[in-house]
Amino acid sequence: GAGVSQSPRYKVTKRGQDVALRCDPISGHVSLYWYRQALGQGPEFLTYFNYEAQQDKSGLPNDRFSAERPEGSISTLTIQRTEQRDSAMYRCASSLAAGDGYTFGSGTRLTVV
Amino acid sequence: RKEVEQDPGPFNVPEGATVAFNCTYSNSASQSFFWYRQDCRKEPKLLMSVYSSGNEDGRFTAQLNRASQYISLLIRDSKLSDSATYLCAVRRGGGFKTIFGAGTRLFVKA
Repeated sequence: GAGVSQSPRYKVTKRGQDVALRCDPISGHVSLYWYRQALGQGPEFLTYFNYEAQQDKSGLPNDRFSAERPEGSISTLTIQRTEQRDSAMYRCASSLAAGDGYTFGSGTRLTVV
Repeated sequence: RKEVEQDPGPFNVPEGATVAFNCTYSNSASQSFFWYRQDCRKEPKLLMSVYSSGNEDGRFTAQLNRASQYISLLIRDSKLSDSATYLCAVRRGGGFKTIFGAGTRLFVKA
């Protein structure tokens, strides 16, 4: 596609439910990143994929968070047993090659009630 | 201490002014440096990469000072449309994790 596409744009979920956030990167972009951004803060790194390989997951806050990119294209970030503190804007970005600047998607605003 | 630090501002400048932002980083092994622009309620957009020799793109000039571990962004002849938050980003050496600063807010007034 023309840009990085994320869905859903908004997600409201009850505490304890699982959520799955989807990212469709720019076609041909090898590298895919997940970030989380709180209001008034910069994006906070969560995890990075090179093709289908998850090469860095050091930013995932705990084991409730996981991500996959099975075919090296679309990626899913899953949060299990959501908590209110998980509420944030979740942003996906991609780049043609590792080390290039990113193109971000519009994000998914997650609200846990 | 945060790995990437920026003055949050806000910077309030009149149209036509020149304004400069600095961003400091703590990891001396950092390899790549970027400036992003983020408008309110929008995603960050890549403004420019920062090269060792410094680089310019129209009214925007980016500089890197490895010895003092900071990067800078200079905006000349500010326009109303330059009002935004400017985020610096630093990629660590040995991997591809990029760390973002919290951003500097700029307001350009008529």
